[in-house]
Amino acid sequence: GAVVSQHPSWVICKSGTSVKIECRSLDFQATTMFWYRQFPKQSLMLMATSNEGSKATYEQGVEKDKFLINHASLTLSTLTVTSAHPEDSSFYICSAPHGLAQETQYFGPGTRLLVL
Amino acid sequence: GNSVTQMEGPVTLSEEAFLTINCTYTATGYPSLFWYVQYPGEGLQLLLKATKADDKGSNKGFEATYRKETTSFHLEKGSVQVSDSAVYFCALGKSGGYNKLIFGAGTRLAVHP
Repeated sequence: GAVVSQHPSWVICKSGTSVKIECRSLDFQATTMFWYRQFPKQSLMLMATSNEGSKATYEQGVEKDKFLINHASLTLSTLTVTSAHPEDSSFYICSAPHGLAQETQYFGPGTRLLVL
Repeated sequence: GNSVTQMEGPVTLSEEAFLTINCTYTATGYPSLFWYVQYPGEGLQLLLKATKADDKGSNKGFEATYRKETTSFHLEKGSVQVSDSAVYFCALGKSGGYNKLIFGAGTRLAVHP
C-alpha cells in the first residue's frame, strides 16, 4: 500500500512554455501533498504544501505565480511550471503522508524536467 | 530552527564491509526521525523510522536508534552489498502529524565487489 505516482516521469520543453506535472496517491487519500525540487547531487528542497480544497502554501523564495499548484481531489495534486526557463530544469518530487499518525511521507518517483 | 546534519560523502566501501552514516539533528519537542534511500534513477523510498527516544528502526539489515541524549540517528548495516549503493537521506519530522520533512544533505554510498 501507500503508492504515489507521478506523470510524466520526464519531460523536455521549449523555453517559455508551461509544463504540468501530476502527483497521485493510488491507494489512499491525501488531503495534503508536498512538492519538492532536487538539484543534481543535492538534497530535496521543499517548494510548497498542496492542500485539497484550499490554496497551496509556498516556502519562502518560491514564486507562487511561476509554480502553480492545484489540489483537485483527494488523490491528485498538480504542479504547473509556467513560462519555463532553463533554470527551472530540475527533478520535481511529490510526497503524501499516510499511516496511523500521518507522519510517514510516501514519495513519488519524480519528474525530470529539461527546459531547452 | 529544526535542522539535520549528515556526514558528507561519498562513502566508498567494499562488499561485506560495515557501514555507518552519521546523522545528528536539532529540534524542539519530540520529532520523528527517518532514513530515506534513493537508488539511481528512482524516487525516495522510506528505509526506516523511529518515532520516540530509544526506538530502533530496522529494515533490510539497516538499523538506526533514536538517541535523544546525543540527538543522533546514525544509520548502520553490518555487511553491505553492491545493491545498497544509493544516496541515503536522514530526515526529521514533527511527531503526531504530517508536517514538513526536513532533510539532511544526503550521503552517497558506493559499494564495490
